[in-house]
Amino acid sequence: DTGVSQDPRHKITKRGQNVTFRCDPISEHNRLYWYRQTLGQGPEFLTYFQNEAQLEKSRLLSDRFSAERPKGSFSTLEIQRTEQGDSAMYLCASSEIPTGETQYFGPGTRLLVL
Amino acid sequence: EDQVTQSPEALRLQEGESSSLNCSYTVSGLRGLFWYRQDPGKGPEFLFTLYSAGEEKEKERLKATLTKKESFLHITAPKPEDSATYLCAVQAGTGNQFYFGTGTSLTVIP
Repeated sequence: DTGVSQDPRHKITKRGQNVTFRCDPISEHNRLYWYRQTLGQGPEFLTYFQNEAQLEKSRLLSDRFSAERPKGSFSTLEIQRTEQGDSAMYLCASSEIPTGETQYFGPGTRLLVL
Repeated sequence: EDQVTQSPEALRLQEGESSSLNCSYTVSGLRGLFWYRQDPGKGPEFLFTLYSAGEEKEKERLKATLTKKESFLHITAPKPEDSATYLCAVQAGTGNQFYFGTGTSLTVIP
């Protein structure tokens, strides 16, 4: 197993544009999480899926953000009308129930909004 | 409100100089405490999971311990390749999200 993968690794966009990130979890993991991390801070929870159901959303997830996991496998995170404050590292993690709560993280997508 | 505090924010050690990193937490119904290592520009790499007070886990030069209010990550005879940011996270109550601290940036000088 190659672990959690994310694409793209880096994204530069102009303010107001839409961006979409993809996450492929570890294959047998049924939970998938999105976090956002800014410089010097720990990751902050955005949302999580169990299979294809989105079960929790943070208040950080404004209506410009939407996440999907259509077939319970990969997930996408879309940010509409990007703002400079959206610049951050977007991290995806996955975990397997019921065997454990440990979350395994991908390499992240670094977003820069100009 | 659930909180996770890590100290110190930054730590510089000479190679071979052992030390400890602290993670204190105030949460209701701790379900697990997790330690990760993060290198610049990369995602967090899992190190340890601790579930109950008194539990200890060890891996190479690292040892994690847990009490009812805090966890320590002990680093014995560190090497320059141990330089990284060490993150602590807790999972609590009925939610599944992790609450992270802001990390300790460790630099080991040859």
